[in-house]
Amino acid sequence: AQSVTQPDIHITVSEGASLELRCNYSYGATPYLFWYVQSPGQGLQLLLKYFSGDTLVQGIKGFEAEFKRSQSSFNLRKPSVHWSDAAEYFCAVASSGYSTLTFGKGTMLLVSP
Amino acid sequence: DVKVTQSSRYLVKRTGEKVFLECVQDMDHENMFWYRQDPGLGLRLIYFSYDVKMKEKGDIPEGYSVSREKKERFSLILESASTNQTSMYLCASSLQGLAKNIQYFGAGTRLSVL
Repeated sequence: AQSVTQPDIHITVSEGASLELRCNYSYGATPYLFWYVQSPGQGLQLLLKYFSGDTLVQGIKGFEAEFKRSQSSFNLRKPSVHWSDAAEYFCAVASSGYSTLTFGKGTMLLVSP
Repeated sequence: DVKVTQSSRYLVKRTGEKVFLECVQDMDHENMFWYRQDPGLGLRLIYFSYDVKMKEKGDIPEGYSVSREKKERFSLILESASTNQTSMYLCASSLQGLAKNIQYFGAGTRLSVL
């Protein structure tokens, strides 16, 4: 069965500093990978996705993620964090034959002044 | 833009009550999903539906049922609410098909069972 691990429950980053959120997945075939963001009291919004092709994918709000098959990772990055990026971030994997997603447990990002 | 609307943002119910959570999407999506979200556990799939009147169990279906009588509407039913069903419930929808399984989420319903 597929699974997603987000090793960091909380991360605190200073405003203007760079950010990397880790995501490791377990899946036998080529995965479809997603990052979602959830602002307080809101639903989830898609940041970016990887289906195939270029392993570095660009998303909204200045985020990017890199798929590394050898490490089973799909880490999310942003070069300069803004206070409005404070939110919870979820990595998810979809199996090739189905429409369901398996989510990680999330990483809460706190941004300090 | 895709819009997924959950009828209530907050609900307070008593133990043993029958509870209906409603979700409507306006983009003619074939797939609809119900998740619950708990701190430290992430999102867990309760049920999903890939067509009208069709449903499939997710990872945690116990204590829940669903109804999909129309394509745009997917209801989650707690037959007899219990305190351990206090949670945030999220509805999502997506198009059918392998490369189109981006899920779009509603704002969530926070349910408290007392």
